[in-house]
Amino acid sequence: DSGVTQTPKHLITATGQRVTLRCSPRSGDLSVYWYQQSLDQGLQFLIQYYNGEERAKGNILERFSAQQFPDLHSELNLSSLELGDSALYFCASSVASSGRGLGETQYFGPGTRLLVL
Amino acid sequence: SQQGEEDPQALSIQEGENATMNCSYKTSINNLQWYRQNSGRGLVHLILIRSNEREKHSGRLRVTLDTSKKSSSLLITASRAADTASYFCATQNPYGGSQGNLIFGKGTKLSVKP
Repeated sequence: DSGVTQTPKHLITATGQRVTLRCSPRSGDLSVYWYQQSLDQGLQFLIQYYNGEERAKGNILERFSAQQFPDLHSELNLSSLELGDSALYFCASSVASSGRGLGETQYFGPGTRLLVL
Repeated sequence: SQQGEEDPQALSIQEGENATMNCSYKTSINNLQWYRQNSGRGLVHLILIRSNEREKHSGRLRVTLDTSKKSSSLLITASRAADTASYFCATQNPYGGSQGNLIFGKGTKLSVKP
């Protein structure tokens, strides 16, 4: 158990819909990262938050957004869903003592499996 | 975008044998990390090796890093059926805005037969 929790574990929805994925980082970790794992694209970084502020953006679509709340939990919002958004979405956390998290281990949650029909 | 390329894509061995997986990457790195993923589940961190290190051990794991060749290898000794999983290398880039995020390879699927 990494100490990172994600809900829900599974999500089935229809094209055009909007969903929210939730992540609680390990106690004491200030940084949260979101990754998407799909068969064709592999594991891709989406976005990073540090202590409530966006720190880095990766291959995140404009239809996707995220935020980190004062209690440090994070939510990833996916809207106007398409079939191709079906994937495993992982959240990871690290202490990020330097603010960026460079050189630190990231602890991954169990993931949310999203299926868009 | 993928940074690392693992080799081989799939590896099947007998219990007790050693398993070696290789990873090549393209850009300068601060560190390279290896993760393990059991079928469709979360990633588990195995080991982190910094760019100024050449070799690191953790239990039955041995990781080497050759920055001149931009490559790393993961050796699992005396493998067990429970080692069956996908193994990913991931790098962190010391430059640019996205310093903390991991850039993953495509993974090696290891199957250890009892």
